[in-house]
Amino acid sequence: KAGVTQTPRYLIKTRGQQVTLSCSPISGHRSVSWYQQTPGQGLQFLFEYFSETQRNKGNFPGRFSGRQFSNSRSEMNVSTLELGDSALYLCASSLEGPSRGNEQFFGPGTRLTVL
Amino acid sequence: EDQVTQSPEALRLQEGESSSLNCSYTVSGLRGLFWYRQDPGKGPEFLFTLYSAGEEKEKERLKATLTKKESFLHITAPKPEDSATYLCAVRPSSGGSNYKLTFGKGTLLTVNP
Repeated sequence: KAGVTQTPRYLIKTRGQQVTLSCSPISGHRSVSWYQQTPGQGLQFLFEYFSETQRNKGNFPGRFSGRQFSNSRSEMNVSTLELGDSALYLCASSLEGPSRGNEQFFGPGTRLTVL
Repeated sequence: EDQVTQSPEALRLQEGESSSLNCSYTVSGLRGLFWYRQDPGKGPEFLFTLYSAGEEKEKERLKATLTKKESFLHITAPKPEDSATYLCAVRPSSGGSNYKLTFGKGTLLTVNP
């Protein structure tokens, strides 16, 4: 069974630009979560989608947004990029969000560098 | 607010030298505690889920245990390939926040041959 895939794997942008990252979950998984990982803050939750609906959102500014499609694939968008947005963005999928036993499986991440 | 603290931040062991990693947590009702392993430049790899105090799970040289306030990841006779960052995360059971994981900052384990 294929794992979680993320594209692109690496991205370099300049301040003020916007970026879209893509995530394809494991087949059959309907919940997709996004996390930002930085050396200083570690892994921080961005948002979670299930059946095309955002069910929960972390403490990030409105420049960070996302969506989920009917095939469970998800995208996240960051507008007006800042230097501090440089990070590894991780996508994770699970069968169904909150239930016992529904572990999240992570993709390899997208490394975003903002210059 | 949910909090997860992992210690030590870094641990260096000789091959075969057993030790334990600690994960202390504060959460408004625990739905599950998760351990992940992360290699440099890769996404976290799922290891274990623990649900209630007293529960234990094992996988090869790793054993995870859970109490009401902390979890331990015991590493028995580690090998160099066990070198990685080990992450602990909790999922709360209450309110609308039960769809996210709160992670600790991890323990960087290095096993020397």
